[in-house]
Amino acid sequence: IAGITQAPTSQILAAGRRMTLRCTQDMRHNAMYWYRQDLGLGLRLIHYSNTAGTTGKGEVPDGYSVSRANTDDFPLTLASAVPSQTSVYFCASSVSGTSDTQYFGPGTRLTVL
Amino acid sequence: GQNIDQPTEMTATEGAIVQINCTYQTSGFNGLFWYQQHAGEAPTFLSYNVLDGLEEKGRFSSFLSRSKGYSYLLLKELQMKDSASYLCAVLDSNYQLIWGAGTKLIIKP
Repeated sequence: IAGITQAPTSQILAAGRRMTLRCTQDMRHNAMYWYRQDLGLGLRLIHYSNTAGTTGKGEVPDGYSVSRANTDDFPLTLASAVPSQTSVYFCASSVSGTSDTQYFGPGTRLTVL
Repeated sequence: GQNIDQPTEMTATEGAIVQINCTYQTSGFNGLFWYQQHAGEAPTFLSYNVLDGLEEKGRFSSFLSRSKGYSYLLLKELQMKDSASYLCAVLDSNYQLIWGAGTKLIIKP
């Protein structure tokens, strides 16, 4: 593994189903983030974690949950998917949760029908 | 509210120079980032400005004026591979990145 990986690459999901998007980094970065990117809008922060064991809410957290059991992994769960959650999801990490550069994973394209 | 404005789309010619502007209104300021994003790919870091002035990095330069809430990204000697979206993002007082919608740059031969 080099950098940040995300899985799956893409997914089509029926509304009401539960889905977990996976994110793993091997850079030993303390901070990790989940964004969604929709056409015509900027990246919007869903949840973040400044260090293992802690998480925080971003701009659009409703309908999503995260956990940070260790430094490397930061899964994002949609408990009951809705069509408005159709988006491209990017995971990112940075050395710390301050002014450090964020590095992005390749993204997951999620379609909720 | 917090707001980042940048043009939706720009067109330029291969070999030319293009300037992409970004204006911002945010709660606090802890720096401004520019990222490049090719279609279907992840954003990649280009530059970071926290003090006023021009930062030059090869063909790309980034300028910041904190008093005017303004930045620009200058791309010189444009190449076809520079066709991408360019994202402006400001780190606010809570150290969260506020992102503009991006500027799609189209390079014509």
